[in-house]
Amino acid sequence: NAGVTQTPKFQVLKTGQSMTLQCAQDMNHNSMYWYRQDPGMGLRLIYYSASEGTTDKGEVPNGYNVSRLNKREFSLRLESAAPSQTSVYFCASTRRLTGIGEKLFFGSGTQLSVL
Amino acid sequence: GESVGLHLPTLSVQEGDNSIINCAYSNSASDYFIWYKQESGKGPQFIIDIRSNMDKRQGQRVTVLLNKTVKHLSLQIAATQPGDSAVYFCAENRQAGTALIFGKGTTLSVSS
Repeated sequence: NAGVTQTPKFQVLKTGQSMTLQCAQDMNHNSMYWYRQDPGMGLRLIYYSASEGTTDKGEVPNGYNVSRLNKREFSLRLESAAPSQTSVYFCASTRRLTGIGEKLFFGSGTQLSVL
Repeated sequence: GESVGLHLPTLSVQEGDNSIINCAYSNSASDYFIWYKQESGKGPQFIIDIRSNMDKRQGQRVTVLLNKTVKHLSLQIAATQPGDSAVYFCAENRQAGTALIFGKGTTLSVSS
C-alpha cells in the first residue's frame, strides 16, 4: 500500500519552462491537496480538490493550475516557471474535505528549483 | 487573516528531557487541531490531534494541550529521544469543509 505517491522527486527548470507535478493516492480518498513548503514559511496551500470534478484555490494559487484527473490523481502544473516557485511541493489526501477527525496523508515531496 | 504560528522556530533539548513545543492560533472558531512531525527529506506525518471540546489528549509519549481562552496549543514530548529530532507543525481547521492551515514549524534538535 503506497499511500500518496509524487513524481518526480527532484526537478530543475529554467525560467519560463513548464512542467506538471504528478500525484496519485491509493487510499480511495475523496479530497486531495497541493502544498508548497519554503524555509521559515511552513506549509502553504496552493490548490485543493474536495472531490473528483472540483478544484478550489488555496492561499497561494497564482502561477499554478491543477487538474483532478480522476479520484486517484491530482496534478499541479506550472505554465511558466519563475524563480519564486523554487520550493518543495507536497501532495496530500484525506477521506473527505478536512474537518474534525480528518487527517492529511502526505507524499514524500518534489524538490523544484527554477533557475 | 493571520495564520497559525509557533512561538519558537527552534528548540534544542538533551536526550531524556521533556520537550514542549508551542503554537498560537488566531481564529477562535477553529474546532480541530493537529500536530505533524516532518523528518528531513520526508513529508509530514500525523502525530496527534485534538478537538476544540477537549483540553488535553494523550498519546504514546506525546500530549497535546489546548487552551481556548488564550488560543494556545502545545505539544509535549516525554523522554525526548534523538529520533524525535524533526520539524513539528501545528495545523488548525478554521471552518468545516475547508482545508487545514499550517503554522510555520518548530525545529526540534535532540542531543545525546
